[in-house]
Amino acid sequence: GNSVTQMEGPVTLSEEAFLTINCTYTATGYPSLFWYVQYPGEGLQLLLKATKADDKGSNKGFEATYRKETTSFHLEKGSVQVSDSAVYFCALSDPWGGGADGLTFGKGTHLIIQP
Amino acid sequence: EAGVVQSPRYKIIEKKQPVAFWCNPISGHNTLYWYLQNLGQGPELLIRYENEEAVDDSQLPKDRFSAERLKGVDSTLKIQPAELGDSAVYLCASSLDRTYEQYFGPGTRLTVT
Repeated sequence: GNSVTQMEGPVTLSEEAFLTINCTYTATGYPSLFWYVQYPGEGLQLLLKATKADDKGSNKGFEATYRKETTSFHLEKGSVQVSDSAVYFCALSDPWGGGADGLTFGKGTHLIIQP
Repeated sequence: EAGVVQSPRYKIIEKKQPVAFWCNPISGHNTLYWYLQNLGQGPELLIRYENEEAVDDSQLPKDRFSAERLKGVDSTLKIQPAELGDSAVYLCASSLDRTYEQYFGPGTRLTVT
């Protein structure tokens, strides 16, 4: 079946530091990959996505590249801000892969940015 | 454009009591999902609707959980009776169809005492 593995948190960084949150996946078909962000007290928001190999998703200074050869979709940002503190979820959707429908999520990575 | 609306936002009940959650998806979105999110975990799919038809409910514990989506718009998820282990956040999401990205509501946080 499909699965997503992402690095355990919490991840604590200083403001303006470089961020990487690792995410790897297992899928039966050709999935689309997503990063969702959950700010305290709020619902999940789509941060970025990539629908095929070598695609790069980007938004709000965050980037992630769909690497089929390493089955990875690592999230990066060059200079983090305190306002980036949140929980980040890597997810995949594989509607044509014959597995369960809906998104398959990782466990989430809690990011804490200190001023 | 209004987002996915869920109510209530918080619910506290005693075990063995019934509880219901309501979801109003984004207008025009044919696909509706209910997810369960336990503390410190990612959401897990409970059920998916295409219009008014439940097309994937394999993860829904049918002995105590039920769901409906009348007229293919709003949806209700019910638990009867609730157990302590049902304490979690219940998320609703919608999309144009199963191949498009999903938009999530704020969730209902259920506490069973």
